[in-house]
Amino acid sequence: SQKIEQNSEALNIQEGKTATLTCNYTNYSPAYLQWYRQDPGRGPVFLLLIRENEKEKRKERLKVTFDTTLKQSLFHITASQPADSATYLCALAAYGNNRLAFGKGNQVVVIP
Amino acid sequence: GAVVSQHPSWVICKSGTSVKIECRSLDFQATTMFWYRQFPKQSLMLMATSNEGSKATYEQGVEKDKFLINHASLTLSTLTVTSAHPEDSSFYICSAIGTGGLSYEQYFGPGTRLTVT
Repeated sequence: SQKIEQNSEALNIQEGKTATLTCNYTNYSPAYLQWYRQDPGRGPVFLLLIRENEKEKRKERLKVTFDTTLKQSLFHITASQPADSATYLCALAAYGNNRLAFGKGNQVVVIP
Repeated sequence: GAVVSQHPSWVICKSGTSVKIECRSLDFQATTMFWYRQFPKQSLMLMATSNEGSKATYEQGVEKDKFLINHASLTLSTLTVTSAHPEDSSFYICSAIGTGGLSYEQYFGPGTRLTVT
């Protein structure tokens, strides 16, 4: 069956350090992968998209890698700040299809 | 830009009644809107894809007669939960993508918390 796995344990990290989150998937061949941020009781906010033929994408303090051989994406927040505390979701979509399949999300807590 | 609103933000209804949730794209035209449901500490589950002027496409296991979707214009989609039951209590979120070809970024609304008593 298809699975998108993110770490269920919250990541507690000291302010200024780099937070790294993992998204693993099985039985998918995604055309692209997206990362979203979700705050409690709110809808997700789009952060980054990376296509299957791209290895890495950056946006300000965020970096995403995509390894289709390992079926894994890594999401990095460098110089983390308390305002980065949230749940981060990865989502996959197939070719020619806007329908997204989401992981459960991984909570990040940045400690001042 | 790319703001999506939902109304209401929360609603409490009695079992057996129907509830309508609105999703609006405020500053862009949305050819496609999606409806999701999210239970506590769970992932967003896609319920249906709504295209303007046509019938919604429901995901497997989602009852189309229970969750009525109407996408009457390029800026408005509605989800009506009919004959609501306590197990329908959840966080309902819509998202939209804009016109102009295949757009990949989905812009999400703030969500609607439904509680059925």
